[in-house]
Amino acid sequence: GAVVSQHPSWVICKSGTSVKIECRSLDFQATTMFWYRQFPKQSLMLMATSNEGSKATYEQGVEKDKFLINHASLTLSTLTVTSAHPEDSSFYICSARRLAGAHYNEQFFGPGTRLTVL
Amino acid sequence: SQQGEEDPQALSIQEGENATMNCSYKTSINNLQWYRQNSGRGLVHLILIRSNEREKHSGRLRVTLDTSKKSSSLLITASRAADTASYFCATYYGGATNKLIFGTGTLLAVQP
Repeated sequence: GAVVSQHPSWVICKSGTSVKIECRSLDFQATTMFWYRQFPKQSLMLMATSNEGSKATYEQGVEKDKFLINHASLTLSTLTVTSAHPEDSSFYICSARRLAGAHYNEQFFGPGTRLTVL
Repeated sequence: SQQGEEDPQALSIQEGENATMNCSYKTSINNLQWYRQNSGRGLVHLILIRSNEREKHSGRLRVTLDTSKKSSSLLITASRAADTASYFCATYYGGATNKLIFGTGTLLAVQP
C-alpha cells in the first residue's frame, strides 16, 4: 500500500508552453501533498505544500504564479509550470502525507517527472 | 537555509567495504529519516530513527542519532555495487506545517 504515482514520467516541451504534472495517491487519502524540485547532482528542494481544498503555501523564492498548484481532491494534486523556460528543466517529485492512522508524519514519494524545456 | 548538511559529498569505496555518511541538522526533531535515490529515479525510504532512539539497525544498515550534536550517521556494511546511489537524510521542519526537508546528500559509488 501507500503508492504515489506521477504523470507524466518525463516531458519535453518548447520554451513558453505550460506543462501540467499530476500526483496521485493511489491507495490512501492525503490531506497534504508536497512538491519538490531537484536539479542535477543536487538535493531535493521543497517548492510548496499543498492542502486539499485550500491554497498552496510556497517556499521562499518560488514564484506562485509560475508554479500553479491545485489540490482538488484527497488523492490528486497538480503542478502546472506556466510559460516554461530552459531554466525550469528539472526533476519534479511529489510527496503525499497519509490522512489518518499514521503513527508519525508518514510521507510517500512519487517516482518523479523529468521536465526538459527546449 | 533549513537544509541540513551531509558529508562527505561523495564517497567511493570497493565492494565489501563499509560506507559511513554523516548528516547534521539545524532544528529540534521528532525523528530523522534516510532515503536512497538511484540516478534519475525516485526516492526509496530506508530507515527512520526517532529522537528518543540512539541507534537502529535494518539489514546491512545501521543508523545512529546524537540529538545533543544534532547529527546522525548512516553506516552501510559489506557494501555492494548495487548500493551505488545518492543518500539523503531528512528531517521535519516548521512545527505545525511539518515540512520534510532534505540534506545535501552523499553520492556513494561502490566499485566492483
